[in-house]
Amino acid sequence: DAGVTQTPRHEVAEKGQTIILKCEPVSGHNDLFWYRQTKIQGLELLSYFRSKSLMEDGGAFKDRFKAEMLNSSFSTLKIQPTEPKDSAVYLCASTRDTYAEQFFGPGTRLTVL
Amino acid sequence: QQQVRQSPQSLTVWEGETAILNCSYENSAFDYFPWYQQFPGEGPALLISILSVSDKKEDGRFTIFFNKREKKLSLHIADSQPGDSATYFCAASDNSAGNKLTFGIGTRVLVRP
Repeated sequence: DAGVTQTPRHEVAEKGQTIILKCEPVSGHNDLFWYRQTKIQGLELLSYFRSKSLMEDGGAFKDRFKAEMLNSSFSTLKIQPTEPKDSAVYLCASTRDTYAEQFFGPGTRLTVL
Repeated sequence: QQQVRQSPQSLTVWEGETAILNCSYENSAFDYFPWYQQFPGEGPALLISILSVSDKKEDGRFTIFFNKREKKLSLHIADSQPGDSATYFCAASDNSAGNKLTFGIGTRVLVRP
């Protein structure tokens, strides 16, 4: 089985640009998560989908961050407009059940200049 | 407010020693505690997990000790190997809140040969 796929692996954006990150979860998984990872804050939840329905959208990240699950096998995270403080690694993860492992993708490293 | 705390932030041990990583939490409703291992450039991967009904979980050289009363747990890495050098995240979830995980800030472990 293929794991979680994320594209692109690296993204460089100018301040104010719109960027879209992509994620393909493990086939058959019902839950999908977007996280932001930084050295200072660690792993922060941005969005949580269950069977394509948005369960949580990460509170503080609402204004410029929008995650969508277009179908059960594809999700996007849009950041609009980008700011330098958005520079981080963005991770996507999926899981099939309660108490089951969350499988993480390799992440997208975003640098905003 | 960090709901899951980890200490130390970094830890260096010699090959063959036991590394001890600590974790504490605040939410009494947390009932599932996985530990994730992350190597540079990769996403985190599940290492070992425990449910709150148990006080110990062992998997090879990795052991979780869990104290529900004190809301503390620890990960012991016995006979540490250089290949264990990675960042370790303690996480927690409350089944009633779905499969969402709350992560600690991580402990960076370096095993010197």
